[in-house]
Amino acid sequence: AQSVTQLDSQVPVFEEAPVELRCNYSSSVSVYLFWYVQYPNQGLQLLLKYLSGSTLVKGINGFEAEFNKSQTSFHLRKPSVHISDTAEYFCAVSGAYSSASKIIFGSGTRLSIRP
Amino acid sequence: EAGVAQSPRYKIIEKRQSVAFWCNPISGHATLYWYQQILGQGPKLLIQFQNNGVVDDSQLPKDRFSAERLKGVDSTLKIQPAKLEDSAVYLCASSGTSGSISYNEQFFGPGTRLTVL
Repeated sequence: AQSVTQLDSQVPVFEEAPVELRCNYSSSVSVYLFWYVQYPNQGLQLLLKYLSGSTLVKGINGFEAEFNKSQTSFHLRKPSVHISDTAEYFCAVSGAYSSASKIIFGSGTRLSIRP
Repeated sequence: EAGVAQSPRYKIIEKRQSVAFWCNPISGHATLYWYQQILGQGPKLLIQFQNNGVVDDSQLPKDRFSAERLKGVDSTLKIQPAKLEDSAVYLCASSGTSGSISYNEQFFGPGTRLTVL
């Protein structure tokens, strides 16, 4: 079984500042890792995913994340945030090599951007 | 391509009443998921269908929740009777076959926000 911990429930940052949203996972098997974004009153949208290969993954809207197997982390970063990045961000994990493996979500981090 | 459709978007009911939610997945997607997202938490999988068969319903409270996908396309999730703790957003997602045997991206609908009074 897998689990995900998002260490920060809320992260306030100023516009154009860099941001890092932290995510740690646990699993006894190889994993796939995901970051989803949820804008107010909307469903979840996939930001980026790690399946295999390069540990630095680039996603939409200028976000990137780095898979660190030794630290079991998958932190999300953006060098300069915009007001439009205000949303809830969910880290998620699933078992690798199985399309039927279910996705386990973290509790979310609310990113608020101050002008 | 049209996304995952859900209705209604909002529903307010009193406890012990029944309620049903509808989901129409992306055309051609064989796998359909229902998630429950309680305020302040991440989504939790309730049930997963592959075509019209159930793959995983281990976290579905079967004494009050039921779901069906009779023709392998759209799906209905029902709660009967509802409890206060069922207040949540119910998300539907679907995934297809991308050619990969190990990963199929899930696409989410906008959700139905249920308030039980």
